[in-house]
Amino acid sequence: AQKVTQAQTEISVVEKEDVTLDCVYETRDTTYYLFWYKQPPSGELVFLIRRNSFDEQNEISGRYSWNFQKSTSSFNFTITASQVVDSAVYFCALSDLMNYGGSQGNLIFGKGTKLSVKP
Amino acid sequence: EAGVTQSPTHLIKTRGQQVTLRCSPISGHTSVYWYQQALGLGLQFLLWYDEGEERNRGNFPPRFSGRQFPNYSSELNVNALELEDSALYLCASTHYGSTQETQYFGPGTRLLVL
Repeated sequence: AQKVTQAQTEISVVEKEDVTLDCVYETRDTTYYLFWYKQPPSGELVFLIRRNSFDEQNEISGRYSWNFQKSTSSFNFTITASQVVDSAVYFCALSDLMNYGGSQGNLIFGKGTKLSVKP
Repeated sequence: EAGVTQSPTHLIKTRGQQVTLRCSPISGHTSVYWYQQALGLGLQFLLWYDEGEERNRGNFPPRFSGRQFPNYSSELNVNALELEDSALYLCASTHYGSTQETQYFGPGTRLLVL
């Protein structure tokens, strides 16, 4: 069965600190997608990144960076120099690669990590 | 380009009533997914519609149902509401079968059952 574990329920940091959100996943599939979404207090899930299982390159986008390690089944998310606007719940999610007619299609979400960035 | 839209934004119902939630996908997207986010239970997959057909459903009772229209918009119906149905209901869309397989979410409908 597919499963996503975000062991950190809540993290609190002071502005400008770096913070890493952990994500560990389980799947029997050899091809799959991993995602990170941000959920601000308004409730809407905002897409941050998608990574497929063939691409283990780390990615950086501004203050955000992602470390995908297939050997440890982890897809961790780091925010550098955190800001108050980063305060939100962050979800890691897993999906099997979409092959028409064979995919489950839905995302399997972790429980989320609530990040509070204090000024 | 407009994102996924959902209506209404908030709803208050009483136990036993029925409710209909609506979702309009991003233009060009053919798949719509429904998720429930109840307090303490996280995000759980409800239903997936593509090209007007139900493709998959999560572990929810039959009183949760829906449909997808020819314009790819979708409705989620919940009959015989129970208190534990109080949740944020999120809709997402994607263009299934293409390389653009990321699910983009709407703002959600907050349902409170009293």
